[in-house]
Amino acid sequence: DAGVIQSPRHEVTEMGQEVTLRCKPISGHNSLFWYRQTMMRGLELLIYFNNNVPIDDSGMPEDRFSAKMPNASFSTLKIQPSEPRDSAVYFCASSPGPQNSPLHFGNGTRLTVT
Amino acid sequence: DQQVKQNSPSLSVQEGRISILNCDYTNSMFDYFLWYKKYPAEGPTFLISISSIKDKNEDGRFTVFLNKSAKHLSLHIVPSQPGDSAVYFCAASGRGSGGGADGLTFGKGTHLIIQP
Repeated sequence: DAGVIQSPRHEVTEMGQEVTLRCKPISGHNSLFWYRQTMMRGLELLIYFNNNVPIDDSGMPEDRFSAKMPNASFSTLKIQPSEPRDSAVYFCASSPGPQNSPLHFGNGTRLTVT
Repeated sequence: DQQVKQNSPSLSVQEGRISILNCDYTNSMFDYFLWYKKYPAEGPTFLISISSIKDKNEDGRFTVFLNKSAKHLSLHIVPSQPGDSAVYFCAASGRGSGGGADGLTFGKGTHLIIQP
């Protein structure tokens, strides 16, 4: 079991550039989550997919943020255009379901927008 | 408005003693509670969970207690070991958590330091 795989581990970009974060969930897991961690707000849920379908995106901060899950083994979180306040650690997590199953987290992508 | 609160940003405990981490929640719809452990530069790792139908769950050195009337849960680690030094997050889910059917709402974490 390779765990949840995120890439890149670190991303440094300039304000205004497009950023794409990638996630490969654990094989067989039906649910996928994107979280953001900042000092001020802690771990915040951005969006959640079940069987590749977005279920709840109420945590996505702005229209600059979008997420896709084209198949069961891949998801992306895109920020366009990026801003310095987007700097944070972005975590992807997956869960086998059903409800009340623990989430398994990747090691995160540290994003710095200058 | 924080629905899950961990009021102690840090806690220092001597090796071999008991570590007690606390967590309070405000949303009465929460029915599933978890503790995660996080080392620097790694993602949170699931430690132990408890359903609202129970008031205690034990796994080796780790025990989680739930007091529904007080909307309070705690994690006990005994005996504490140097490898337990990490940030511990309390999390909750349930109808109306804002995170979807399986989404978790996290506290801001408590940094546990085990002193030799």
